[in-house]
Amino acid sequence: DVKVTQSSRYLVKRTGEKVFLECVQDMDHENMFWYRQDPGLGLRLIYFSYDVKMKEKGDIPEGYSVSREKKERFSLILESASTNQTSMYLCASSLLAGGEETQYFGPGTRLLVL
Amino acid sequence: RKEVEQDPGPFNVPEGATVAFNCTYSNSASQSFFWYRQDCRKEPKLLMSVYSSGNEDGRFTAQLNRASQYISLLIRDSKLSDSATYLCVVISTSGTYKYIFGTGTRLKVLA
Repeated sequence: DVKVTQSSRYLVKRTGEKVFLECVQDMDHENMFWYRQDPGLGLRLIYFSYDVKMKEKGDIPEGYSVSREKKERFSLILESASTNQTSMYLCASSLLAGGEETQYFGPGTRLLVL
Repeated sequence: RKEVEQDPGPFNVPEGATVAFNCTYSNSASQSFFWYRQDCRKEPKLLMSVYSSGNEDGRFTAQLNRASQYISLLIRDSKLSDSATYLCVVISTSGTYKYIFGTGTRLKVLA
């Protein structure tokens, strides 16, 4: 079974803090993704990576950055947290680049920015 | 217009009922389709892929209609445990492939 883990289930941070969300997958997947999920808006792609040290912007990258130094680990960084970044953050991975691979999700991190 | 649209529901159905959801997509170049299930406060999990010829997995049947650009999910003999939000996912290729998630349809199966 694919296992995708995220470093925290719940986080509370203050406005202006730097926030690190970590994601690890144990199935040697090429692709990794960061989404946020908000009521009525569904899942929105923040960034994705199809290889170590590679990253691509998704639909809403503003205010975020990512790091992929190792294949199994994909980090999402909020440089200066703001209240509108309060959300559920979901990491996902998929096996190969090229279109038809299903994504496997981690359990999510609920982030509250005060 | 959203790239992928779903009726948010909720669909409230009694146990044993048959229920169907549709999901429409706007990009005719979309090539792969999935249904995911998401329980309250949990992550989405793959329910089934959707193939052109239609496919069935137990009580669940998925269909694709390329001409009208929609996919459907039929659940027969609904169980209480089927209560969840069902997300449709469309993979489109415009340069790079892109997963597009619908906002989900909420199903409540009532005893």
